Amino acid sequence: GDSVTQMEGPVTLSEEAFLTINCTYTATGYPSLFWYVQYPGEGLQLLLKATKADDKGSNKGFEATYRKETTSFHLEKGSVQVSDSAVYFCALSATGTASKLTFGTGTRLQVTL
Amino acid sequence: GAGVSQSPSNKVTEKGKDVELRCDPISGHTALYWYRQSLGQGLEFLIYFQGNSAPDKSGLPSDRFSAERTGGSVSTLTIQRTQQEDSAVYLCASSLVASGRGAYNEQFFGPGTRLTVL
Repeated sequence: GDSVTQMEGPVTLSEEAFLTINCTYTATGYPSLFWYVQYPGEGLQLLLKATKADDKGSNKGFEATYRKETTSFHLEKGSVQVSDSAVYFCALSATGTASKLTFGTGTRLQVTL
Repeated sequence: GAGVSQSPSNKVTEKGKDVELRCDPISGHTALYWYRQSLGQGLEFLIYFQGNSAPDKSGLPSDRFSAERTGGSVSTLTIQRTQQEDSAVYLCASSLVASGRGAYNEQFFGPGTRLTVL
């Protein structure tokens, strides 16, 4: 079945540091890939998405590129802020139809001053 | 409302009791999903409804779990004879189904119901 593997946290960074959270997947066909974020005390929000190979999703300074050859969708940000402290989830779903999301285990990011 | 709403926000129950969790999706969204978020298992899919099609129940962990969606809108997740391992945050999401090349279905999540089974 489909699965998502993401790096374990917690990840602790100083403000303005570079962030990478690794995510790899196993799926049949050509899934859509997502990063969701859960800020403290809030619900899950979509951060960015990519629906086909080589697509780059971006939002709020975060980026991730859909790499079919390495089955990866790593999340990056050039300069993190304290407000980016949250739990980040990589996820996939089948494209083109209503379909469940399969999530990774989540990575907690803590950014300090 | 503008977003997905869930009630109650918190539920504490005793082992063996039945509980019902409610989800109000975004108006017009034809797909509705239930997930469970627990410390040991992360985020797990439970069930989803799409229009008038038979629901995909493949994620339900046992026959104590059931869900219905009335009138294509509100959904209720019922857990019978609750066990301590059912303690988790139950999340509901809805999406506006799109189809075709490159289509995806952004799922909008509610705030969740935190269930504690004593």
